[in-house]
Amino acid sequence: QQPVQSPQAVILREGEDAVINCSSSKALYSVHWYRQKHGEAPVFLMILLKGGEQKGHEKISASFNEKKQQSSLYLTASQLSYSGTYFCGTGLGNQFYFGTGTSLTVIP
Amino acid sequence: DTAVSQTPKYLVTQMGNDKSIKCEQNLGHDTMYWYKQDSKKFLKIMFSYNNKELIINETVPNRFSPKSPDKAHLNLHINSLELGDSAVYFCASSSLGWGNTEAFFGQGTRLTVV
Repeated sequence: QQPVQSPQAVILREGEDAVINCSSSKALYSVHWYRQKHGEAPVFLMILLKGGEQKGHEKISASFNEKKQQSSLYLTASQLSYSGTYFCGTGLGNQFYFGTGTSLTVIP
Repeated sequence: DTAVSQTPKYLVTQMGNDKSIKCEQNLGHDTMYWYKQDSKKFLKIMFSYNNKELIINETVPNRFSPKSPDKAHLNLHINSLELGDSAVYFCASSSLGWGNTEAFFGQGTRLTVV
């Protein structure tokens, strides 16, 4: 039931772009994206809803393909503060499953 | 004010002991959760709970039990602790279910069983 993310890890230089993918074996009704910095709690970035509505972050965008049961997170012009582990998540009602996680490191 | 707070932040204990982790949210949310994050950083849901319903992940041993004295609190009790219980435990809350709303997480409790 856990969504699978790719890549598992990526290293970027400041200013570079990255794409993180999330794939689910089950139908997606909405997709959440969270970022977790080392030693901290996950923090909400955005929600993508069925039908294309997107709520969330100013500088990070995402797409949601309901038919393919996939979502992608796009980080453009990365900053040092983008470093962390990114999790997608999906669920319905009281059940929610996080993806396998993608570790992103931005270096100067 | 902290939206979701957990105590303690660190907990070191011996095998076989019983321990509790407390969680409180001041957001007025209806649903609270417990997650376990293992050493590989996988986040797995353990319980979700609202005023009406407790949903338990079937893979969670019955040594773990959530207790909710009221809507703002969801504590986690763990009996007969084992080495494999060592992990970071996160409490979270959201209004209604996950659906269209974001979740807020506590700062986590790092449990080490020795």
